[in-house]
Amino acid sequence: AQKVTQAQTEISVVEKEDVTLDCVYETRDTTYYLFWYKQPPSGELVFLIRRNSFDEQNEISGRYSWNFQKSTSSFNFTITASQVVDSAVYFCALSEPETSGSRLTFGEGTQLTVNP
Amino acid sequence: EAGVAQSPRYKIIEKRQSVAFWCNPISGHATLYWYQQILGQGPKLLIQFQNNGVVDDSQLPKDRFSAERLKGVDSTLKIQPAKLEDSAVYLCASSFRDSYNEQFFGPGTRLTVL
Repeated sequence: AQKVTQAQTEISVVEKEDVTLDCVYETRDTTYYLFWYKQPPSGELVFLIRRNSFDEQNEISGRYSWNFQKSTSSFNFTITASQVVDSAVYFCALSEPETSGSRLTFGEGTQLTVNP
Repeated sequence: EAGVAQSPRYKIIEKRQSVAFWCNPISGHATLYWYQQILGQGPKLLIQFQNNGVVDDSQLPKDRFSAERLKGVDSTLKIQPAKLEDSAVYLCASSFRDSYNEQFFGPGTRLTVL
């Protein structure tokens, strides 16, 4: 079974639309960390956010917001008023210190295309 | 602050040949990671170093892949002999301590095995 599932392989929106990228994870650890990374066409992964399992507060950073819900094992990412520059592959990742040390397990990624 | 450097950016080889990739992490970062990213998939950790010691190499195909980190700074990843399925982007990342912290990624080396 996948530890990190990003069910949306590709999403296409028109500029200024809001878009939500889904991430569902699976772990038995009590303490774990969740991440989102952006991979633009240049290929370099860019860190967006880290959340630990004890912090369920939603976070907003400019046009980006994250919704962490332990009850549904989800860590979804919303881009408000999307822009063409948001076009990239977005990865959700999980770190499980208790069972896997500090290894990061990535999902398969969601390709987001924002059309002008 | 300089980012993670990797070279070469692209490499094309024939199967059964050998290849080596180089990575220079961000200065002061004790932890270094090598990931393999096959087209259309998320990165998969191959090996993790803490200073110059191996922390996790459970997903490294040790019959053909090897890696070292001399003096706890630069690192090289080698494949010998290469197979067609090794075609991928090889990403190097570093972090201040461990992956609970932000990992900074290099631009990657795109390997094509013919």
